[in-house]
Amino acid sequence: KAGVTQTPRYLIKTRGQQVTLSCSPISGHRSVSWYQQTPGQGLQFLFEYFSETQRNKGNFPGRFSGRQFSNSRSEMNVSTLELGDSALYLCASSLGLAGTNTGELFFGEGSRLTVL
Amino acid sequence: AQKVTQAQTEISVVEKEDVTLDCVYETRDTTYYLFWYKQPPSGELVFLIRRNSFDEQNEISGRYSWNFQKSTSSFNFTITASQVVDSAVYFCALSELGGGNKLTFGTGTQLKVEL
Repeated sequence: KAGVTQTPRYLIKTRGQQVTLSCSPISGHRSVSWYQQTPGQGLQFLFEYFSETQRNKGNFPGRFSGRQFSNSRSEMNVSTLELGDSALYLCASSLGLAGTNTGELFFGEGSRLTVL
Repeated sequence: AQKVTQAQTEISVVEKEDVTLDCVYETRDTTYYLFWYKQPPSGELVFLIRRNSFDEQNEISGRYSWNFQKSTSSFNFTITASQVVDSAVYFCALSELGGGNKLTFGTGTQLKVEL
């Protein structure tokens, strides 16, 4: 069973640019969550999508956005990049059903974004 | 507001030693879930365990065991007879009822197991 796939794995951008990151969840998983990991702030929740709808949102500015497609694949976009956006962006998928599996996430290896 | 504290930033042990990773949490909810995740050098977090707030039974899975104590708001993780392959960063996390997959993570504990 293929795991969670994130692309690209590494990318370098300059301030002011925008970036789009992609995530393909495990087959059959309908929920995709995004997390930002930095040395200073640690792991922080960005948002969660389930069946193409945003189900939860973290405390990030509107420059951070996401979407989910009908095949459960998800993208996140960061516009007007700032130096502080340099981070490892982790995508996680799950069945998405409320109850016993809540929080049991399968993570990808992440997309490492460097903003110069 | 939720908060998860992992006071141990880094722990180094020699193989076969037992090691306990501490986790203290704060939440106003009476229903919540606690987790442990492992992050090896490759980067992807690996789910280890989930407990709900109504189940204080300790759990053992092979060399891993977890001690959940609501009275002290702690959810500690013990690795028995540690191995080099256990070297990783371990994260404790918390989610509240209705929060879906919105987890609040601790800052992590880097475990180094040496020969």
